[in-house]
Amino acid sequence: RKEVEQDPGPFNVPEGATVAFNCTYSNSASQSFFWYRQDCRKEPKLLMSVYSSGNEDGRFTAQLNRASQYISLLIRDSKLSDSATYLCAVILMDSSYKLIFGSGTRLLVRP
Amino acid sequence: SAVISQKPSRDICQRGTSLTIQCQVDSQVTMMFWYRQQPGQSLTLIATANQGSEATYESGFVIDKFPISRPNLTFSTLTVSNMSPEDSSIYLCSVAKVLPPGEQFFGPGTRLTVL
Repeated sequence: RKEVEQDPGPFNVPEGATVAFNCTYSNSASQSFFWYRQDCRKEPKLLMSVYSSGNEDGRFTAQLNRASQYISLLIRDSKLSDSATYLCAVILMDSSYKLIFGSGTRLLVRP
Repeated sequence: SAVISQKPSRDICQRGTSLTIQCQVDSQVTMMFWYRQQPGQSLTLIATANQGSEATYESGFVIDKFPISRPNLTFSTLTVSNMSPEDSSIYLCSVAKVLPPGEQFFGPGTRLTVL
C-alpha cells in the first residue's frame, strides 16, 4: 500500500464549481500535512498547510481527519487558473524527517 | 519562503556520462533534499543532504549512483552518475527551514534527458 494515496483524476469542472479532493495516508505517526499545487513543467508550490482544526485561505479550505487518516482540499468558485495538479504531502517522523508526496490529482477547470 | 536556484535548468546528455546539478539557497536552511520526478509521476525523495556528513539515501537510491555534497547551509550538489535513458527525469532540490510544521519549498528543477 502506498504511504500517501490520491485519486489521479482528472477532475473536469466548469468555472464557478466547487470541487473537493481527498488524500489518504497510511502511517498514523504522520505529523504534518500539506497541499501543493504543481503547474505543467513547473516545480510544486506550497498551497497550504493543513492543521488539525482545519484552515481556510480565500476559496481554499483544507481539513484533516486523523481518525480516518485523510486530508481534504475544497476549492470553491473554481477559476480557469486553478487548473493544475494538486499534490498532498505528509511528513513522516520515524527515524528522520521525510516529506512524502501523493501521486497528485489533476484539475481541469473549463469555461 | 527561501529563494532557491538550480543549475543547469536543463541538459541533454549521452549515456555513460555524469551530470552534476547545483542547488543554491539565498539563506541558511536546516534541511535540504533532492527529489526526482519522472514524466507523469509524482515526486520521489532521493536523499536528504546533510551538512558536513554523508547524505541519507532512500530505498532504491545509492551513493555510487547519486553522490551528494553539502559543504555548507546554503549549497548542495547532486551528481547523476553513469547515466542511462532511465535517468531522464526532473531533479528538484528542496529546503525546509523550521520544524514543525516543516513546510518545504522547491527549486525550479533540472530537466535531464539522457540519450
